[in-house]
Amino acid sequence: AQKVTQAQTEISVVEKEDVTLDCVYETRDTTYYLFWYKQPPSGELVFLIRRNSFDEQNEISGRYSWNFQKSTSSFNFTITASQVVDSAVYFCALSEENSGYALNFGKGTSLLVTP
Amino acid sequence: ETGVTQSPTHLIKTRGQQVTLRCSSQSGHNTVSWYQQALGQGPQFIFQYYREEENGRGNFPPRFSGLQFPNYSSELNVNALELDDSALYLCASSWGLSGNTIYFGEGSWLTVV
Repeated sequence: AQKVTQAQTEISVVEKEDVTLDCVYETRDTTYYLFWYKQPPSGELVFLIRRNSFDEQNEISGRYSWNFQKSTSSFNFTITASQVVDSAVYFCALSEENSGYALNFGKGTSLLVTP
Repeated sequence: ETGVTQSPTHLIKTRGQQVTLRCSSQSGHNTVSWYQQALGQGPQFIFQYYREEENGRGNFPPRFSGLQFPNYSSELNVNALELDDSALYLCASSWGLSGNTIYFGEGSWLTVV
């Protein structure tokens, strides 16, 4: 069963629009971590953020913000005032104690930002 | 720049052959993991090494094997290559086993013909 669901396969926005990428996860662990990675066409996975299950404080970093809600098992990612350089595939991932903290990735959301 | 380096970056192999991919972890990191990413899919966990011992394995057959060396660099070996092994292979490193941030290399693109 898919533990991380990214329901949006592809999103296309015009530059300067805000965009939110959805992530829903499933776990029975009380200790777990959630991640977002960005993958440009070159292939490298670029780390964006890590959150542990005990810290629901939402975070803003420049144009990026994250909304972690345990009640709905969601960890959504918002880009404000999107730019063409934000075009990439974005992956949400779950790391659980009972699986040795290996990353369990969603299928990714492909974001295209056009001028 | 994550400090995780992989080689080779691209390679082409014939079905049935064997391949070795290499990874140097970020300085100070003692945990290395490998992931396979098929085109259009999310990365899939292959296995993880901690202090030179395998510490977890995903749903991959035994012909996928690995090593971690005393300097924490690592190898991924795949025997009897199949066409479906064509993918991007990503190496990642981290410190310890407690959910710390995992940093990825740029990957090795393997094509099996």
